[in-house]
Amino acid sequence: GDSVTQTEGPVTVSESESLIINCTYSATSIAYPNLFWYVRYPGEGLQLLLKVITAGQKGSSRGFEATYNKETTSFHLQKASVQESDSAVYYCALGALNQGGSAKLIFGEGTKLTVSS
Amino acid sequence: DPKIIQKPKYLVAVTGSEKILICEQYLGHNAMYWYRQSAKKPLEFMFSYSYQKLMDNQTASSRFQPQSSKKNHLDLQITALKPDDSATYFCASSQSPRDTQYFGPGTRLLVL
Repeated sequence: GDSVTQTEGPVTVSESESLIINCTYSATSIAYPNLFWYVRYPGEGLQLLLKVITAGQKGSSRGFEATYNKETTSFHLQKASVQESDSAVYYCALGALNQGGSAKLIFGEGTKLTVSS
Repeated sequence: DPKIIQKPKYLVAVTGSEKILICEQYLGHNAMYWYRQSAKKPLEFMFSYSYQKLMDNQTASSRFQPQSSKKNHLDLQITALKPDDSATYFCASSQSPRDTQYFGPGTRLLVL
């Protein structure tokens, strides 16, 4: 089936250190999957962090990057130097558009990141 | 100003009762969605609407009924509430089903 698996949290990283949150997906019934990272800061709703719709392409936002790798079915989130303000829950998601024209997102479990100063 | 409004923010209900979760979007989008996140589980897709028509329903129970009175509204009626319905319910919208979905802040429901 279609699913997303990401790094199990919580994850704690010191400020200015690098970060990688792993995300792998299975898209057996989706012809052209889109991949997303959403973020939920404390007390707020989900926000789109970045999106990539084409395999082989990289998305970036706010210093975060993720590359859509079709061969390894991965979409890992990376940042070279994290800040305390990056503390949040990060969700990897797979976008599916079916032949009937309806769409849905399939989410991973979420990874809670705490950046310590 | 918030572009997707969900009301209420928190909701406590008793088992067997009925509640309506409100969602309004002011992004001019044509597609709207409901997702649910129960404790320790991923966000789970429930419904999608496009131009006020139901496109997909992946909720097994008929106790969950979306209601679209206006193009920018998609409320969620839940009847015969059970403790297992306790979750945060997120509304989302997109310009079209092909476009990026934007989420509301969620309604946190607790069923006692």
